Amino acid sequence: DVKVTQSSRYLVKRTGEKVFLECVQDMDHENMFWYRQDPGLGLRLIYFSYDVKMKEKGDIPEGYSVSREKKERFSLILESASTNQTSMYLCASSSDSYGYTFGSGTRLTVV
Amino acid sequence: KNEVEQSPQNLTAQEGEFITINCSYSVGISALHWLQQHPGGGIVSLFMLSSGKKKHGRLIATINIQEKHSSLHITASHPRDSAVYICAVLSYSGGGADGLTFGKGTHLIIQP
Repeated sequence: DVKVTQSSRYLVKRTGEKVFLECVQDMDHENMFWYRQDPGLGLRLIYFSYDVKMKEKGDIPEGYSVSREKKERFSLILESASTNQTSMYLCASSSDSYGYTFGSGTRLTVV
Repeated sequence: KNEVEQSPQNLTAQEGEFITINCSYSVGISALHWLQQHPGGGIVSLFMLSSGKKKHGRLIATINIQEKHSSLHITASHPRDSAVYICAVLSYSGGGADGLTFGKGTHLIIQP
């Protein structure tokens, strides 16, 4: 059963902390994505990657960075967490023929 | 940028009813996805469409490329179908993966 695994389901961090959200896929997909989901705003793309060590900014990259050192792993980094980054974060991977597979999400609360 | 509109935003129906959720988009696409999200849960991809119709169990998805419109139908609806249904489109791009444009979702409640 193919899947995208996000390391934490719930996370509480303090303002100013550096936060790492990890995502691993086992489908050998080239493309990986990080989204955040907020009520009334839907899903918005933060960053994506179409190859190892490659990254592209999405619609809302400010305050975030990413790392893709291996094909199967795509990490989202909050350099200095702020309360407005409290959200549900969703990772996804895709291939041209298979479409998208999403992780189960990480609900991050910044206090 | 592609604009994706879903209707209705909220829908409450009785068990057994036939459900239709609509999605319209403004710019030509290479694929359209229907996604399902249960409360507090992750997202599951139901269908990926580029033309015609697909069926999986009680779920049917159709797309009309000329009219830039897609529908998701649920037959013999059941309370476990209660979820948010999200339409997402993948627009033509010059190269690389640029992700999806998402609708705001339709919140469906099926009452017993």
